[in-house]
Amino acid sequence: QSALTQPASVSGSPGQSITISCTGTSRDVGGYTYVSWYQHHPGKAPKLMIYDVSNRPSGVSNRFSGSKSGNTASLTISGLQAEDEADYYCSSYRSSSTPWVFGGGTKLTVL
Amino acid sequence: EVQLVESGGGLVQRGGSLRLSCAASGFTFSSYWMSWVRQAPGKGLEWVANIKQDGSEKSYVDSVKGRFTISRDNAKNSLYLQMNSLRAEDRAVYYCARVERSYWYFDLWGRGTLVTVSS
Repeated sequence: QSALTQPASVSGSPGQSITISCTGTSRDVGGYTYVSWYQHHPGKAPKLMIYDVSNRPSGVSNRFSGSKSGNTASLTISGLQAEDEADYYCSSYRSSSTPWVFGGGTKLTVL
Repeated sequence: EVQLVESGGGLVQRGGSLRLSCAASGFTFSSYWMSWVRQAPGKGLEWVANIKQDGSEKSYVDSVKGRFTISRDNAKNSLYLQMNSLRAEDRAVYYCARVERSYWYFDLWGRGTLVTVSS
């Protein structure tokens, strides 16, 4: 069982928006701004999409956005495209002894 | 090209050992903390270990403490994970990842290498 809770799957049609939630506790998501999101196409290297809750690395489309409220972080993808179909993982800093915890992953299907 | 390439995975018997390698290129390897992250079949990601730029600080997830050792050779731009006393639950794809420690995230990943532990 993963430390952070994500829905197993979400889906949307091209052009629509979807939101993936990531629920933790005050020891991780709720206690720090160090929440990040990763896109993973199976067989490829995971890719950083969002860091520090809502910051996009250079080269990541502005269709991807992040937010946080209390112990729950969210990733929103607007204007869904076929290439967005992938697994998405959230991560948060937790402590010096266990720096990173992850969610179980959400499979995004573009209908 | 900026990349990380893992190698060394394979099939090993329970209780056996395996050494994973990660070759870094396209960036100044010695300037970064590095980590290993794994994904068991059908499961989410799990942080395994990390190491400071000069190798002076290391940390591990509790489930691998005493069995796994992370190391690096900055002259060879390489990261390693020595895995001993392997268990069935260590079966996973192991990813090498570059750490951005200011904001605690991984900004570069490899494609991973599969470790299978047989009984």
